[in-house]
Amino acid sequence: QKEVEQNSGPLSVPEGAIASLNCTYSDRGSQSFFWYRQYSGKSPELIMSIYSNGDKEDGRFTAQLNKASQYVSLLIRDSQPSDSATYLCAVLTGGYQKVTFGTGTKLQVIP
Amino acid sequence: DVKVTQSSRYLVKRTGEKVFLECVQDMDHENMFWYRQDPGLGLRLIYFSYDVKMKEKGDIPEGYSVSREKKERFSLILESASTNQTSMYLCASSNWGGTEAFFGQGTRLTVV
Repeated sequence: QKEVEQNSGPLSVPEGAIASLNCTYSDRGSQSFFWYRQYSGKSPELIMSIYSNGDKEDGRFTAQLNKASQYVSLLIRDSQPSDSATYLCAVLTGGYQKVTFGTGTKLQVIP
Repeated sequence: DVKVTQSSRYLVKRTGEKVFLECVQDMDHENMFWYRQDPGLGLRLIYFSYDVKMKEKGDIPEGYSVSREKKERFSLILESASTNQTSMYLCASSNWGGTEAFFGQGTRLTVV
């Protein structure tokens, strides 16, 4: 079982819709969870971090964490064509600050 | 702004060469990481370091080594480059405590 799993997509949504991206992780001791966005040919950049159960909202983005189910999600409201990118879920595991990434979900927002 | 700088954007090397990829960060971060990114496989951790002269193997350390002689600099070494090491290499740094990782611009290495 992979440590961090994501559906590779592509996930296609129309402009203005809600995009829902999901991630599961295997290590119950995981402490911190991150969503990164990566445009084609560019490096990943952090868009959300979440550390406790529940929802965290930042503008059009909402991260959701459920540690009992080992599940993290990212909701993007009012999706824009500029949101088209690959979204990487990352999880901090272990005592040595190791950050493990999922393979990413490609999101396409159709104008 | 945090800056993580990788020494080369593009690199072409021959099979069997020793290759050095350099990474420098300017935010006094304790942690530094080397990943490689391949289509369909995502970001895979090669090595990381949580302090000067300290290193830990990641998920795919075979064929690689690292060096961290100074806090701001983390080097990835391919002892004898092979064609299956053709990839995008990304360096990242973060604070101790699990805050966000900042990435360099990436080095696209081609081994011919």
